[in-house]
Amino acid sequence: GAGVSQTPSNKVTEKGKYVELRCDPISGHTALYWYRQSLGQGPEFLIYFQGTGAADDSGLPNDRFFAVRPEGSVSTLKIQRTERGDSAVYLCASSYPGQGLYFGPGTRLTVL
Amino acid sequence: ILNVEQSPQSLHVQEGDSTNFTCSFPSSNFYALHWYRWETAKSPEALFVMTLNGDEKKKGRISATLNTKEGYSYLYIKGSQPEDSATYLCACQNSGNTPLVFGKGTRLSVIA
Repeated sequence: GAGVSQTPSNKVTEKGKYVELRCDPISGHTALYWYRQSLGQGPEFLIYFQGTGAADDSGLPNDRFFAVRPEGSVSTLKIQRTERGDSAVYLCASSYPGQGLYFGPGTRLTVL
Repeated sequence: ILNVEQSPQSLHVQEGDSTNFTCSFPSSNFYALHWYRWETAKSPEALFVMTLNGDEKKKGRISATLNTKEGYSYLYIKGSQPEDSATYLCACQNSGNTPLVFGKGTRLSVIA
């Protein structure tokens, strides 16, 4: 079966622009997570959905970051007024609750 | 705040050597510990999910142990091969409804 997919695989944008990153989880997985990984760091938690609702958004760094999962499947991470410090690999993962995470290949975001 | 530490940060071994690395976490409010392998240009791949003190798990040449009372887990690789080269990530949860908190990883390079 298909794994977690993320698009685009790479995104280069200019400071101040708006970007959207998409995640298609494994079919039937109710939990969906967004993490980001900066150079030399482990994956940093951003937000977690259980179904359509955000169960925990405590990792979103500020109000420029927002994520949605309107139908409980595909999720979009939205970043407004991008800054150079937002450059990172953005990872999406899905799972059944209480089980290990299945990660996508990530989106590498570069803000110039 | 859950703090997960991994050591060493990086490791170079010769093909055929056995190796191990450590993940440390707070022993209070422990729920589960996960190990992942992340190869360059691929998605992080789940290796083990461990919950009980004294758990030992094995997958081929890779095994892991868990000590929840003292707050550490060891990952062992027997007879390292070049294809074992990857970053090994450890992550902890302190309940079934909280997101995984990752360490910074141990980067393993196996030299043929």
